[in-house]
Amino acid sequence: QVQLQESGPGLVKPSQTLSLTCTVSGGSISSGSYSWSWIRQPAGKGLEWLGRIYASGNTYYNPSLNSRVTISVDTSKNQFSLKLSSVTAADTAVYYCAGVLYGRYFDYWGQGTLVTVSS
Amino acid sequence: QSALTQPASVSGSPGQSITISCTGTSSDVGGYNYVSWYQQLPGKAPQLMIYDVSNRPSGVSNRFSGSKSGNTASLTISGLQAEDEADYYCSSYTSTSTQVFGGGTKLTVL
Repeated sequence: QVQLQESGPGLVKPSQTLSLTCTVSGGSISSGSYSWSWIRQPAGKGLEWLGRIYASGNTYYNPSLNSRVTISVDTSKNQFSLKLSSVTAADTAVYYCAGVLYGRYFDYWGQGTLVTVSS
Repeated sequence: QSALTQPASVSGSPGQSITISCTGTSSDVGGYNYVSWYQQLPGKAPQLMIYDVSNRPSGVSNRFSGSKSGNTASLTISGLQAEDEADYYCSSYTSTSTQVFGGGTKLTVL
């Protein structure tokens, strides 16, 4: 069974870069059937898709965040990562990583990690 | 990209059926049979309930079903149970190879 686990700082200062890593276990991040996404959820609000990456490195991003989001993959470590630059309080949220089957639906989810943007 | 439109809340009594709608455009919901639905219990990660409009993953109750007509997809839960009380989100693949979520619907079992 594939499992995902987010890791990274829980507190980030305004204007800095938020960095999170998702470690995939129980399966290969290079599986041809899967791509890998980041999704976030502010407290009491809905889900927002941030972007998706394939093991090849091809990426797709939410156009509303495009210029601030970077997703990368490290196949040797079975990990993929999120960087979100120039953060503000509005970026405070629970961040989830997820496995996307055939690019169509989120099959596996991490437990989520809360990131707070505050000075 | 704009979020898909879902009702903020729906409610039903145990044993009844409810339907949650998810409206998009021809660039997402209407253009592809790649709509999925997720159940989110309080404090938990979302869980896949329906994929590709109407398919259930292994382990999901057959009380959950999905359909689509034009730019609107629907999730129906029959034989409502107290354990179904949760937030539900739809998602769709889009014409730009991105994905988009609905705003979410809170289901209350009366």
